[in-house]
Amino acid sequence: NAGVTQTPKFQVLKTGQSMTLQCAQDMNHNSMYWYRQDPGMGLRLIYYSASEGTTDKGEVPNGYNVSRLNKREFSLRLESAAPSQTSVYFCASSEGEVGTQYFGPGTRLLVL
Amino acid sequence: GEDVEQSLFLSVREGDSSVINCTYTDSSSTYLYWYKQEPGAGLQLLTYIFSNMDMKQDQRLTVLLNKKDKHLSLRIADTQTGDSAIYFCAEPSSGGYQKVTFGTGTKLQVIP
Repeated sequence: NAGVTQTPKFQVLKTGQSMTLQCAQDMNHNSMYWYRQDPGMGLRLIYYSASEGTTDKGEVPNGYNVSRLNKREFSLRLESAAPSQTSVYFCASSEGEVGTQYFGPGTRLLVL
Repeated sequence: GEDVEQSLFLSVREGDSSVINCTYTDSSSTYLYWYKQEPGAGLQLLTYIFSNMDMKQDQRLTVLLNKKDKHLSLRIADTQTGDSAIYFCAEPSSGGYQKVTFGTGTKLQVIP
């Protein structure tokens, strides 16, 4: 039982390049989330998915797109990376009454 | 919208107690959470409290909830160097789907 996995762990991009961050969970959770973490700003929600086939914008969706490929996988795409997207990106999933969120190890992205 | 506030930094000596404070905005929150983030890792749920409780104790951890003042605190007794981490307070967000709003995080430094 791996929990939530993310790939890649690290990535360096040039401004204007595109990339997809991958996330998968093996806990059969319906809800999945993408956050970015920046110093002094906590975690901010980019997009979330309440169930397979549905996605919704969070607090900071501009410059990103997502795909909920199936119940397990939720990917985040940067179509044209900008230096302001330099951050640490976390994927999470949740289920149950308490709503505990389970996080992946993160992807550290540097956009030059 | 929701706004969860925490101080950014706390330094304590090993063996002392640590108290991390948080203020939140939504008085109707059912659960309030504390997450822990160790260096280079994702967040992990540390503990939570149901909104009809004033206090919850779990080994070295004590959570106090003051609903009138919308104030949540986490006390760690006998703080150890392994407790050095960032601690995030969180409350459920509007819109359901188990979304949460995280505070900015308090970095706890434990001095040997």
